[in-house]
Amino acid sequence: ETGVTQTPRHLVMGMTNKKSLKCEQHLGHNAMYWYKQSAKKPLELMFVYNFKEQTENNSVPSRFSPECPNSSHLFLHLHTLQPEDSALYLCASSQDDGGGAEAFFGQGTRLTVV
Amino acid sequence: SQKIEQNSEALNIQEGKTATLTCNYTNYSPAYLQWYRQDPGRGPVFLLLIRENEKEKRKERLKVTFDTTLKQSLFHITASQPADSATYLCALGVGGGNKLTFGTGTQLKVEL
Repeated sequence: ETGVTQTPRHLVMGMTNKKSLKCEQHLGHNAMYWYKQSAKKPLELMFVYNFKEQTENNSVPSRFSPECPNSSHLFLHLHTLQPEDSALYLCASSQDDGGGAEAFFGQGTRLTVV
Repeated sequence: SQKIEQNSEALNIQEGKTATLTCNYTNYSPAYLQWYRQDPGRGPVFLLLIRENEKEKRKERLKVTFDTTLKQSLFHITASQPADSATYLCALGVGGGNKLTFGTGTQLKVEL
């Protein structure tokens, strides 16, 4: 295991539902990330948190709402999603040392919007 | 426009041969480049880091080169094994901190 745990592993939700993805890291890292991976497309960085503060929002629609209550936990709140939001959502953490530190990824949440 | 291109087709090689994967980028000036391995249904796993002032890095059977003039990185796996079969992703470190911009990945299959 990588030390980054994501739950749930699989999620099917309707377009009117509200759900949350959870990520937890036990590595003592100070930075956490949400990535989206769609079929045949590269991983897309969605959000970056550094010391619990959001430092990057990569033009993500407001139906995705991140929350970082502390350096070990990261949530992605989902509401009124579209079928094209179906993808693998990956959480990662790293020690932000100015650049180059390896990212540790969770197993991902496979999201299907119906 | 900015692009990161990896071998678009899957790469099939025979066990024991050297696999060479390419990562070409356009209109980026990365401070570093990383390679990751991703197995189906799992998150990427870090393999190697190479910085802009380095030409080559090695780790066991893995070797990565970085040519900032050609804007290209090559990733080699020597003495390949069926267990090396996976998708390999290159990621550029741009924009400061540890933010990564990924390529689409190359699927490698090592056959007996």
